[in-house]
Amino acid sequence: AQTVTQSQPEMSVQEAETVTLSCTYDTSENNYYLFWYKQPPSRQMILVIRQEAYKQQNATENRFSVNFQKAAKSFSLKISDSQLGDTAMYFCAFMLNDMRFGAGTRLTVKP
Amino acid sequence: NAGVMQNPRHLVRRRGQEARLRCSPMKGHSHVYWYRQLPEEGLKFMVYLQKENIIDESGMPKERFSAEFPKEGPSILRIQQVVRGDSAAYFCASSLTVTTNTGELFFGEGSRLTVL
Repeated sequence: AQTVTQSQPEMSVQEAETVTLSCTYDTSENNYYLFWYKQPPSRQMILVIRQEAYKQQNATENRFSVNFQKAAKSFSLKISDSQLGDTAMYFCAFMLNDMRFGAGTRLTVKP
Repeated sequence: NAGVMQNPRHLVRRRGQEARLRCSPMKGHSHVYWYRQLPEEGLKFMVYLQKENIIDESGMPKERFSAEFPKEGPSILRIQQVVRGDSAAYFCASSLTVTTNTGELFFGEGSRLTVL
């Protein structure tokens, strides 16, 4: 079974600075998808960024980018120029046939 | 194109009653997933269904919980004889068919069940 580990229960960052959230996973498969989802207080699950395992290039979406290390099974999320609206729970997820989530990291952006 | 629709958004039940949560996937999606989120925790996989078939129910409690996705109509997550520990947010998500699967799940806004 695939497992996803987020080792940082909580993190904080000053507005406009950069923060990196960690995620590791365990799988014996070669082709899969990795995701970061954001869950603000509204509890809506919002897709932040997606990475296909067969792509070596790291995905980027505006201020959000990932560092995908396939051999190390690591998938960290970097948020640049943090904004107050980035305050939320962030979940790393692994998808093969269904999606499995990490326990989440609560990110607080401080003014 | 409407997103994933879940109802009710909030449901209150007394211990021993039944709870039914409904999920209508996005148009064209034939894969449905149910997740449970306890307060201050991540989403826990419960069950993965395709039309009229349960593909993976490894995350579903063996008793009192059942799920279906009929040929017509929404997917239903049914919890019989609810207990206080069933209080949680239940999220439904849908995806495209496997052959065109981009790997992305689209989530509903969740149904929050409170058991008194």
